[in-house]
Amino acid sequence: GAGVSQSPSNKVTEKGKDVELRCDPISGHTALYWYRQSLGQGLEFLIYFQGNSAPDKSGLPSDRFSAERTGGSVSTLTIQRTQQEDSAVYLCASSLGPQTYEQYFGPGTRLTVT
Amino acid sequence: GENVEQHPSTLSVQEGDSAVIKCTYSDSASNYFPWYKQELGKRPQLIIDIRSNVGEKKDQRIAVTLNKTAKHFSLHITETQPEDSAVYFCAALNSGGSNYKLTFGKGTLLTVNP
Repeated sequence: GAGVSQSPSNKVTEKGKDVELRCDPISGHTALYWYRQSLGQGLEFLIYFQGNSAPDKSGLPSDRFSAERTGGSVSTLTIQRTQQEDSAVYLCASSLGPQTYEQYFGPGTRLTVT
Repeated sequence: GENVEQHPSTLSVQEGDSAVIKCTYSDSASNYFPWYKQELGKRPQLIIDIRSNVGEKKDQRIAVTLNKTAKHFSLHITETQPEDSAVYFCAALNSGGSNYKLTFGKGTLLTVNP
């Protein structure tokens, strides 16, 4: 079946602008995760959704970052007033449910803030 | 919180040789340990995983071992092939936490020379 999809694949924005990144999880997966991968670095956890709820938002790096999930499916990650240090690849993953553990990743959105 | 250390950061082997990548973790409650392979510009792909009630798991040329007492786990690739060249990430998850997040190591760049 179809895997996790993300859009856009690339986004270039000017410092100070807002951006929205979208994630479509695998159909039927109730758990959804956002991670950030900076150049040459590992993956940094941002937020987790079970259904439409995010029990823990402490991974978001600042209050400029927010995320929502609607209908238990699509999620959007919004970054307000982007800064150059926000430049990274933003990866989304989904799993059947949190207790199934296996997370499958999307192709990511490469965000460049100029 | 959890901290995962991964070594080596780069590894170069000859085709046909074995490759071993090692990770240590800090949270003794972590109970799920996946390995991801990421080719340049591609999404991380789950290649093998192990749960804390198992000491070893094998899938064709790849195997993972887990030592809970020492809090370390390793990826073993035998009979390496050029297509094994990629960045490999280990990760740990504590399912008793609130967010089911994966904590990743910083990755190992594996190069298999023909």
